[in-house]
Amino acid sequence: DTAVSQTPKYLVTQMGNDKSIKCEQNLGHDTMYWYKQDSKKFLKIMFSYNNKELIINETVPNRFSPKSPDKAHLNLHINSLELGDSAVYFCASSQGLTPQHFGDGTRLSIL
Amino acid sequence: DQQVKQNSPSLSVQEGRISILNCDYTNSMFDYFLWYKKYPAEGPTFLISISSIKDKNEDGRFTVFLNKSAKHLSLHIVPSQPGDSAVYFCAASEENSGYALNFGKGTSLLVTP
Repeated sequence: DTAVSQTPKYLVTQMGNDKSIKCEQNLGHDTMYWYKQDSKKFLKIMFSYNNKELIINETVPNRFSPKSPDKAHLNLHINSLELGDSAVYFCASSQGLTPQHFGDGTRLSIL
Repeated sequence: DQQVKQNSPSLSVQEGRISILNCDYTNSMFDYFLWYKKYPAEGPTFLISISSIKDKNEDGRFTVFLNKSAKHLSLHIVPSQPGDSAVYFCAASEENSGYALNFGKGTSLLVTP
């Protein structure tokens, strides 16, 4: 039973489109995160939600909008996709100071 | 600006020997450090962690050492096994930033038979 699951695993789309990535965790954690791994393999925090409240919002274009309908879900919506958005997006969750558990990533390719 | 650095992109070690992966950080506010292991097409998997009040933490074949004055930590794997071949990420966090992880760029470890 997957602890942190992301859908879709692969996403290929054209520049200018709007797309969403979904994340669900069944660990009962209070905090969820989105990370971006760029072409240089550098993993960087984008957002963090605690109990459906946004607590971290790094310098990310406002085309990216996270939404947390409940504490088990954190979705990422991206408007007007650009070439530079091509990356692997990882969702993670944690409870307090416990290590974060990661999903397997969503590979986004912009044509 | 990158606050966590792994200066060795790759490391090759013979099976049975010790693997030592190094990590340096610049932010003195970091108080929790972790190592993650990553296989291709999978998410990072937690390996071992250490809080800033300790200087060593051990879990089976894996030991993490923390030198706060030097802002340096290392991961020792002994004995190394072929299944340990993966990319290893060092990460650091602080309470003020909600414990979001700051990652290094990773070290690709290859353990040869």
